[in-house]
Amino acid sequence: QQPVQSPQAVILREGEDAVINCSSSKALYSVHWYRQKHGEAPVFLMILLKGGEQKGHEKISASFNEKKQQSSLYLTASQLSYSGTYFCGTENTGNQFYFGTGTSLTVIP
Amino acid sequence: NAGVMQNPRHLVRRRGQEARLRCSPMKGHSHVYWYRQLPEEGLKFMVYLQKENIIDESGMPKERFSAEFPKEGPSILRIQQVVRGDSAAYFCASSPGQGRLLANYGYTFGSGTRLTVV
Repeated sequence: QQPVQSPQAVILREGEDAVINCSSSKALYSVHWYRQKHGEAPVFLMILLKGGEQKGHEKISASFNEKKQQSSLYLTASQLSYSGTYFCGTENTGNQFYFGTGTSLTVIP
Repeated sequence: NAGVMQNPRHLVRRRGQEARLRCSPMKGHSHVYWYRQLPEEGLKFMVYLQKENIIDESGMPKERFSAEFPKEGPSILRIQQVVRGDSAAYFCASSPGQGRLLANYGYTFGSGTRLTVV
């Protein structure tokens, strides 16, 4: 029931774009996205609800395809500060919430 | 607003001892969640509590682990007779309002307690 994220890891140069995918086997009600820097707590980025619009946060945005039970996180013109591990979290229609497997993102100068 | 407060930040215990981890939710939040994170791994749900009630403990090991959220004071995650495999970061999160999740808020996490069993 844990959502699967891809890729597992990605390395970018500053200014490049990246897409992180999150896929669930269950019908979803909402998808959350969090970023965790090494040794720190996860920080909430955004939530997407079933039937809602694509969300954005600075140069980070996300979409939610309800039919495919998938969400994608888009990072444009990446900055060094974007480095960290990104987790999606999915709430299914049975009110169960699970964090994804995580994607390690490293932005280099 | 102080956010979610966890203490201690680091805890070292010998095998067989007890570990007590504390979590004070954000002001105005009445829902508390505990997660465990092993090194280089994801967040594993343990338990969800509201004041004086355990709502969902499906992620808690059946033995040695317990959690409470009393009417007064912080939420406590208690691990009895710790073993090396309990070494991990334990994160507490809180959320506001009714129901498990509230749109546009998500979880607010504390800084975590790093438990090391020697």
